[in-house]
Amino acid sequence: TQLLEQSPQFLSIQEGENLTVYCNSSSVFSSLQWYRQEPGEGPVLLVTVVTGGEVKKLKRLTFQFGDARKDSSLHITAAQPGDTGLYLCAGGRGAQKLVFGQGTRLTINP
Amino acid sequence: NAGVTQTPKFQVLKTGQSMTLQCAQDMNHNSMYWYRQDPGMGLRLIYYSASEGTTDKGEVPNGYNVSRLNKREFSLRLESAAPSQTSVYFCATGVRGAPGELFFGEGSRLTVL
Repeated sequence: TQLLEQSPQFLSIQEGENLTVYCNSSSVFSSLQWYRQEPGEGPVLLVTVVTGGEVKKLKRLTFQFGDARKDSSLHITAAQPGDTGLYLCAGGRGAQKLVFGQGTRLTINP
Repeated sequence: NAGVTQTPKFQVLKTGQSMTLQCAQDMNHNSMYWYRQDPGMGLRLIYYSASEGTTDKGEVPNGYNVSRLNKREFSLRLESAAPSQTSVYFCATGVRGAPGELFFGEGSRLTVL
């Protein structure tokens, strides 16, 4: 049973379009992270959200933590080919108990 | 500044063979982790070490053993490899107090025939 469900699992769009990726759970998390992973490399941390309703921006990426701290979204504005990769959400439920979603594989076509 | 270094990067084993994946970090982090990544499954925690001298089981520990040799090094051993252990293995480190903020190595791709 996957504690964190990501949708969509695959997304292919044209450069310049906007997109949103979702990370949902029935469990409450003390924090939630988003990572990006490129082929042949390990995941790289993009952001941590901690407070319910929190919104963080990283250039063209906007991350939101749900009010109940059970879900999160990642919105990319004007996607670029460099945004291509596997996006993973991860939820913290206390020390050492981090669970990952299955990932969203994003492809941005020039 | 290498960060988190894993060796080997690729390995092919026959069923029943043993091997050890090595991980070394120069980030001076207390916590170290071993994850496996399989298609459609995300990352699953195998074992972790909160500090030198301690290790604990994660979500999928069966068939694996670990050793926290010192603060820098955390190894993962497969005593008798099985095809179900074919996967990409990642070592990660983290800072105490920020359990979700991990720094990953580049991964070790293991195939068990």
